[in-house]
Amino acid sequence: DAKTTQPNSMESNEEEPVHLPCNHSTISGTDYIHWYRQLPSQGPEYVIHGLTSNVNNRMASLAIAEDRKSSTLILHRATLRDAAVYYCTTSDSWGKLQFGAGTQVVVTP
Amino acid sequence: DTGVSQNPRHKITKRGQNVTFRCDPISEHNRLYWYRQTLGQGPEFLTYFQNEAQLEKSRLLSDRFSAERPKGSFSTLEIQRTEQGDSAMYLCASSTGQGSYNSPLHFGNGTRLTVT
Repeated sequence: DAKTTQPNSMESNEEEPVHLPCNHSTISGTDYIHWYRQLPSQGPEYVIHGLTSNVNNRMASLAIAEDRKSSTLILHRATLRDAAVYYCTTSDSWGKLQFGAGTQVVVTP
Repeated sequence: DTGVSQNPRHKITKRGQNVTFRCDPISEHNRLYWYRQTLGQGPEFLTYFQNEAQLEKSRLLSDRFSAERPKGSFSTLEIQRTEQGDSAMYLCASSTGQGSYNSPLHFGNGTRLTVT
């Protein structure tokens, strides 16, 4: 199972972009990259996922390196509601996710 | 879509007692997963089901843990002879599991277990 490595924390100003890096150098060719976020006392919430190409949705963008050994989650304009722990995970063929410790995102007004 | 429901939200038990948690997945989701999360850590995979079949169990899941999903609907996770190290948030998630295997997981808000 692929292991992911993320910074412990990142701080951003409100309405500024946030770039969250993730290393997954042992990812296999068929594993997807998923991002989830978690607020206190809640379960993780799906953000975005991809395989090889960059992906965009209403919440964020996902930039995947050409060699797939790293990826970056981009929050285009951080709001106070984006303050959470963000997890970069990989998904095997059965959808099983392997979580790391995540990145605590702090958004300051 | 009412989301994944977990009950109870909180459970306090004495060491040595048995506890059972229930998870109701999103209707028609074929796959159901159990995770455990301790403070400051990401969720750890425990086990998952495709319909009623339990397909994989983590090495973390000792013999005191058992999970079932009768009829492929709700699931229960039982811990026998609880230990203080079992104190954690137990998370359930479900996904459609159809078509490509990359369907996102939908998590419940968990059951927080405290073993005294």
